[in-house]
Amino acid sequence: SQELEQSPQSLIVQEGKNLTINCTSSKTLYGLYWYKQKYGEGLIFLMMLQKGGEEKSHEKITAKLDEKKQQSSLHITASQPSHAGIYLCGADYGGSQGNLIFGKGTKLSVKP
Amino acid sequence: EAGVAQSPRYKIIEKRQSVAFWCNPISGHATLYWYQQILGQGPKLLIQFQNNGVVDDSQLPKDRFSAERLKGVDSTLKIQPAKLEDSAVYLCASSGMAVEAFFGQGTRLTVV
Repeated sequence: SQELEQSPQSLIVQEGKNLTINCTSSKTLYGLYWYKQKYGEGLIFLMMLQKGGEEKSHEKITAKLDEKKQQSSLHITASQPSHAGIYLCGADYGGSQGNLIFGKGTKLSVKP
Repeated sequence: EAGVAQSPRYKIIEKRQSVAFWCNPISGHATLYWYQQILGQGPKLLIQFQNNGVVDDSQLPKDRFSAERLKGVDSTLKIQPAKLEDSAVYLCASSGMAVEAFFGQGTRLTVV
């Protein structure tokens, strides 16, 4: 079974709408990373969360890590076409530094 | 600063042929990673180097895949012989003192 589940698998929203992507782990997390990937390109680092209850924001994107450190959510406010892409969460389960287990990703499309 | 450089961007080979990918990490980054991303999946770590030593290669199919990082800088990943299921994007990433990894644009391999 998948250690890290992302939902939804894909999402289509109208420009200006808010949206949330979830990432649920079957094991306790040491850290949770969010990356964005555009088709045919590499991953772009968004945010890293380590402490239960932690919340970080960057421009219109906010990520939270729940108190029990097994779930994270990524929230985009007032979506724009530039937000389109694949959002990937990566879990640090305490292995070697930087060794992440990634979810399958959530494909976001934003309709103008 | 310059990002992680990978070449080639695209490669098409026949099954049973050999192929090699090259990665130049961000200057000064001690840790280098090779990930395999199959279409519709998240990246999967193949091998992690710390300088020129291997930290983790537990998911590297060693009967056909090999990787080296000479002098702790550039790295090459080789597949010999290739199978159809090796078709994927091969991502190289590097990290320094900061925890997050920086990814290259990847090499898209198609095995026919």
